[in-house]
Amino acid sequence: AQTVTQSQPEMSVQEAETVTLSCTYDTSENNYYLFWYKQPPSRQMILVIRQEAYKQQNATENRFSVNFQKAAKSFSLKISDSQLGDTAMYFCAFMQDNTDKLIFGTGTRLQVFP
Amino acid sequence: DVKVTQSSRYLVKRTGEKVFLECVQDMDHENMFWYRQDPGLGLRLIYFSYDVKMKEKGDIPEGYSVSREKKERFSLILESASTNQTSMYLCATDRNMNTEAFFGQGTRLTVV
Repeated sequence: AQTVTQSQPEMSVQEAETVTLSCTYDTSENNYYLFWYKQPPSRQMILVIRQEAYKQQNATENRFSVNFQKAAKSFSLKISDSQLGDTAMYFCAFMQDNTDKLIFGTGTRLQVFP
Repeated sequence: DVKVTQSSRYLVKRTGEKVFLECVQDMDHENMFWYRQDPGLGLRLIYFSYDVKMKEKGDIPEGYSVSREKKERFSLILESASTNQTSMYLCATDRNMNTEAFFGQGTRLTVV
């Protein structure tokens, strides 16, 4: 069975600095998808970034980028130029190819300080 | 924009009550999901549905059932609420396999 591990329950960063959230996963599959979702306080969960395992290139969305290491089964999220609005719970998630089941990690609570 | 609406933001129910959590989406998506979110455990899938009147068990279906009579509506039912079902419940939807999931705002259920 696939598992997703987020080893940092809480992190903090100063505004304008860079922070990296870690995520590792375990699977025997070759084709799959990885996601980072953001859940702001009292607001809906939204997708931050998505990576297809068969793509070598790391996904990037504005200030958000990933470091995808397939052999190491690692999928970290880097937030550059952190903003107060980045304060949220961040979940890493795995989805096997041709399925709809998301498997989530336990989350990392990120606090951005002024 | 996809809108996923859960009927209640907060609910307090008594042990043994039958509880209905409703979720409605407005984008004609085929797939709908119910998760529960607990601190330190992340999100766990309870049930999902690929079509009207169709349902599949997720990872933690015990104590829950679901109903999908219309494409846009997916209900989670706690037949006899228990205190260990106190949790945040999230509804989600997506259009196809391997695509982005859209979430509702969550229902925080407390069973006393």
